[in-house]
Order: sequence, then C-alpha cells, then structure tokens
Amino acid sequence: GENVEQHPSTLSVQEGDSAVIKCTYSDSASNYFPWYKQELGKGPQLIIDIRSNVGEKKDQRIAVTLNKTAKHFSLHITETQPEDSAVYFCAAIGNQFYFGTGTSLTVIP
Amino acid sequence: DTEVTQTPKHLVMGMTNKKSLKCEQHMGHRAMYWYKQKAKKPPELMFVYSYEKLSINESVPSRFSPECPNSSLLNLHLHALQPEDSALYLCASSQVLQQGSGNTIYFGEGSWLTVV
Repeated sequence: GENVEQHPSTLSVQEGDSAVIKCTYSDSASNYFPWYKQELGKGPQLIIDIRSNVGEKKDQRIAVTLNKTAKHFSLHITETQPEDSAVYFCAAIGNQFYFGTGTSLTVIP
Repeated sequence: DTEVTQTPKHLVMGMTNKKSLKCEQHMGHRAMYWYKQKAKKPPELMFVYSYEKLSINESVPSRFSPECPNSSLLNLHLHALQPEDSALYLCASSQVLQQGSGNTIYFGEGSWLTVV
C-alpha cells in the first residue's frame, strides 16, 4: 500500500522567511500530488497540486517540486505571512488516496 | 465554484441518540467521500460513493451508516456512537472515483461531532 512520510511535523519561521515541507511516497503508480492547507476549525483546502509529468509548479508565493525518481515532492512557501500559519498535508494519489502526516506551520510576526 | 457544504457544523449527541450529518455539492462530481479526522492527525477515509453506489467501506463500524440519495447529496447516519467517535467528520467530492486518474478531491468545512 501507499505510505507517505511528511517532514517536519512542526515548523516555525519568522515572517518573511521561507518554509519548506517535504514528502516521500513509496508507490510508483502515484501520479498526482496535491497539497492541502487546514486552518484551525476548518476543512482541508487545496492550495496547489502537481502531476507526474511536471517537475515544478508555482502559484505566487507557493511552489511545489517533484522528483519522481527519488519519490520526493516538496512545498515551498516564500515571504511567509502570519495567515500562512496552518497545518499542511501532502498527498500522493495512485490507485488510492493517502495523506501525509501533516506539518503544523507557525509564522511568527 | 468548488464548494462542498456540510451541515451541521457542530453536533453534540448522547450515546443513545440517532443523528445525521449531511453533505451537498453542485459541481457535478460523481464521487463523494466521508472522512474522519482526529486532532492533529490526517483525515482517515471511511466511505466512498461512486455514481451513488457504495464503492469503498474502510471497515467502519455499523453504527456509522452512509447514504447517497442522489448525485449531489451524501448523508452519514449516526446511531449508538461512543465517546471515542468524537471527531471532525469531513465530506469530500471529486469528478470521479480516484483510480490513478488524478482527480482533485475537494473538502467541506466539516462537522464537529461530540459524543457524550
């Protein structure tokens, strides 16, 4: 079955700094990798995704990179703001959908 | 418009009560999901409906009973729950059931359930 490891579990950064969250998956059939942001008391919201035929995707301050050979993908947030504080989940989708274990990001003003 | 609507947002129920959680989407999605999420943990899949038919049941206890009345609605009927069932229950939908097709899953805001 699919196993998605996510690191770090907690991350604190100063406002304006960058934050990087990394995930590793095991199923070679995985071909779609979304990232979700979950604010306190709310459901997970899709913030960016990447498909296996693409190595990098960017949307304003958020970028995702994918290394299919190494089975790694990462979320990069630049110029972090306090409103970026949330729990972030990666996911790797092949024949099933599995979440990573989550990263609690705190941006310190 | 990518919106999955869940009601109620909060529910407190006793262990002998019968209640229901409701979910609605109008994106034309044909796959709908129920997830359970405990604090500081990722969501755990409970059920998946594909074209209004139950496709996946992740060995969920029978005190949870899903229902898909039509392609836009998904219910979760609750009966004789235990305190450990207290959690955030998330509904989600996607165009079709994930089978390596890379369809995006969209989540609702969840229903906070407390069993007393």
